[in-house]
Amino acid sequence: GENVEQHPSTLSVQEGDSAVIKCTYSDSASNYFPWYKQELGKGPQLIIDIRSNVGEKKDQRIAVTLNKTAKHFSLHITETQPEDSAVYFCAAAGGTSYGKLTFGQGTILTVHP
Amino acid sequence: DVKVTQSSRYLVKRTGEKVFLECVQDMDHENMFWYRQDPGLGLRLIYFSYDVKMKEKGDIPEGYSVSREKKERFSLILESASTNQTSMYLCASSKFPEGDEQFFGPGTRLTVL
Repeated sequence: GENVEQHPSTLSVQEGDSAVIKCTYSDSASNYFPWYKQELGKGPQLIIDIRSNVGEKKDQRIAVTLNKTAKHFSLHITETQPEDSAVYFCAAAGGTSYGKLTFGQGTILTVHP
Repeated sequence: DVKVTQSSRYLVKRTGEKVFLECVQDMDHENMFWYRQDPGLGLRLIYFSYDVKMKEKGDIPEGYSVSREKKERFSLILESASTNQTSMYLCASSKFPEGDEQFFGPGTRLTVL
C-alpha cells in the first residue's frame, strides 16, 4: 500500500518568514495530494490540494509543488503569521481507493510574533 | 455549512468495556472514515465505508469494528477496550469515490484506564 513520509516533524519560524514542509510517497499510482491544517481542538481542514497533472498550485500565501518523477510534494507558506501555527498533514490518494487518504506523520508549525 | 459531528469530545472508559463512538454527517456524503491520531504517527485509517452497510478495513482495524446502518451515521466500536486504544479518534466524510475533500469532525479523546 501507499506510504507517506513527512518532514520536518516540528518547524519554528519568525513571523514574516517562509515555511516549507516536504512529503514523499511510495505509490506511483497516487494522483491526488491534499494538505490539511489542524488547529488546536479541531479536526483537520483542507487548505490546498494538487492533482498529478499539475506541477504547482498557489492560493494567496500558500503553494504546493509536485514532482511526480521523484514522488515528492511540498507545502510552501510565505509571510507566515501567528495564526498559521498549527499541525499540518500531507496526504496521498489514487487509483480505486474510494477516496481513501494515506496521511503523513504531521508537522507542528510554530510562528513566533 | 457542512458539518460532521461526533458524539463525545472526551470519553473515559475502563479496560474491557465495550465502547461506541458515533459520527453523523449532514452532507449526504457516500464515504465515511474513522481514523486514530497519535503524536508522531499522523492519522491512521481504521475503517471506511463507501455506502450503507458497506465497510472496508483500513490500515489498523484490529480491535475495532464499525456499523453503518444509515447513510449519515458511522459508528466505531471497541469490543473490549484496552489501554493501547487510548487515542484521539477522528471521523471524516467525503462525497466522491476518489480524491475528494474529506470533512472532519472535531475528534473524540478516548482514555482507557
